[in-house]
Amino acid sequence: DVKVTQSSRYLVKRTGEKVFLECVQDMDHENMFWYRQDPGLGLRLIYFSYDVKMKEKGDIPEGYSVSREKKERFSLILESASTNQTSMYLCASSLGRGRLVSEQFFGPGTRLTVL
Amino acid sequence: AQKITQTQPGMFVQEKEAVTLDCTYDTSDPSYGLFWYKQPSSGEMIFLIYQGSYDQQNATEGRYSLNFQKARKSANLVISASQLGDSAMYFCAMRLGTEYGNKLVFGAGTILRVKS
Repeated sequence: DVKVTQSSRYLVKRTGEKVFLECVQDMDHENMFWYRQDPGLGLRLIYFSYDVKMKEKGDIPEGYSVSREKKERFSLILESASTNQTSMYLCASSLGRGRLVSEQFFGPGTRLTVL
Repeated sequence: AQKITQTQPGMFVQEKEAVTLDCTYDTSDPSYGLFWYKQPSSGEMIFLIYQGSYDQQNATEGRYSLNFQKARKSANLVISASQLGDSAMYFCAMRLGTEYGNKLVFGAGTILRVKS
């Protein structure tokens, strides 16, 4: 059974803290994604990675960075958390290039609150 | 600009009836794909159905069907015989054909409530 796991379901941090959100997939997928989900805005892509050590900015990368040192793991980093980064964060993975019908598989999400 | 629009913030449907969730898209790329995902209150995203831009027939998966009207750029989800477990948020998404794989653009979502 396909599986994407995220390190925490709920997280509370203080303004200015460095925050790490971890995502692991066991499907040997090339692509991994980080989204944030806010009411009325749907899911917005923060960063994605199509290979180890490769990353591309999504639509809202400001205030975030990512790391992909191993194929199965994709980390989202908030260098200095701010209250406007309070949100639900979703990780996803999918098969690589040339796959026309390749849906993304999602993790359970991390609800981050920044105080 | 590539964009997905879901104009219905919320919908109600009576149990056992059919319901249509609207989705329109905007792209100039001739090759694209359209997805529908379901997100129950537990938060996980569940893939429901896919339609490719070159597919001749509308996609169907069990009680889900996709009413694909290419000229109108619409990809509405039809759920037949609604069940209480269908109550959830539904997202329409479009795959953008980048050389790096399938990046998705999502709509704002529609909350569906099934009444008994």
